[in-house]
Amino acid sequence: KQEVTQIPAALSVPEGENLVLNCSFTDSAIYNLQWFRQDPGKGLTSLLLIQSSQREQTSGRLNASLDKSSGRSTLYIAASQPGDSATYLCAVKAAGNKLTFGGGTRVLVKP
Amino acid sequence: SAVISQKPSRDICQRGTSLTIQCQVDSQVTMMFWYRQQPGQSLTLIATANQGSEATYESGFVIDKFPISRPNLTFSTLTVSNMSPEDSSIYLCSATGPAVIDTQYFGPGTRLTVL
Repeated sequence: KQEVTQIPAALSVPEGENLVLNCSFTDSAIYNLQWFRQDPGKGLTSLLLIQSSQREQTSGRLNASLDKSSGRSTLYIAASQPGDSATYLCAVKAAGNKLTFGGGTRVLVKP
Repeated sequence: SAVISQKPSRDICQRGTSLTIQCQVDSQVTMMFWYRQQPGQSLTLIATANQGSEATYESGFVIDKFPISRPNLTFSTLTVSNMSPEDSSIYLCSATGPAVIDTQYFGPGTRLTVL
């Protein structure tokens, strides 16, 4: 059974510092990995999608890497801003088009 | 991309009653899913909503408690039946295309509080 873990569970940084969020998964037989952002009480916003054949994806200040063989992905957010404060979730897609989610990392960027 | 809307956005219900949540997608999608997010927790898949046939439920979820309909490619409903306080959660609708490489999109969620 696929298990997805995110470390740390919470992170607090001063504005301007780079953020590094980690995601690990136990079964490397995945189709892709997706990073989401969730604001309190809201739905999920897709940030980046990395296919299993890719090593990384970039969008603006966001960069996500994927090492499928070791079961790891890292989300980097450069030059963090208070507006980046949210919970970040990673999810892996496997058979049946189903997503398995990690527990999330709650990020606070202090002005 | 797909834009997903849900109704209601939130509700407060009494124990023993039922609530039906609606999900509308702005484009035809192949797969639709319902997730639950309990307070302070991550998302758990309830079921895959299949068009014109019975939903496929994950372990721990049953049709009598969470009946699901999907009459067409863009619309689905989830009913939370005979509610108890333990059903207080955010319920999220999700949709994706037919290919495994497709992005999965989520609705804004329905925040349910059961008293």
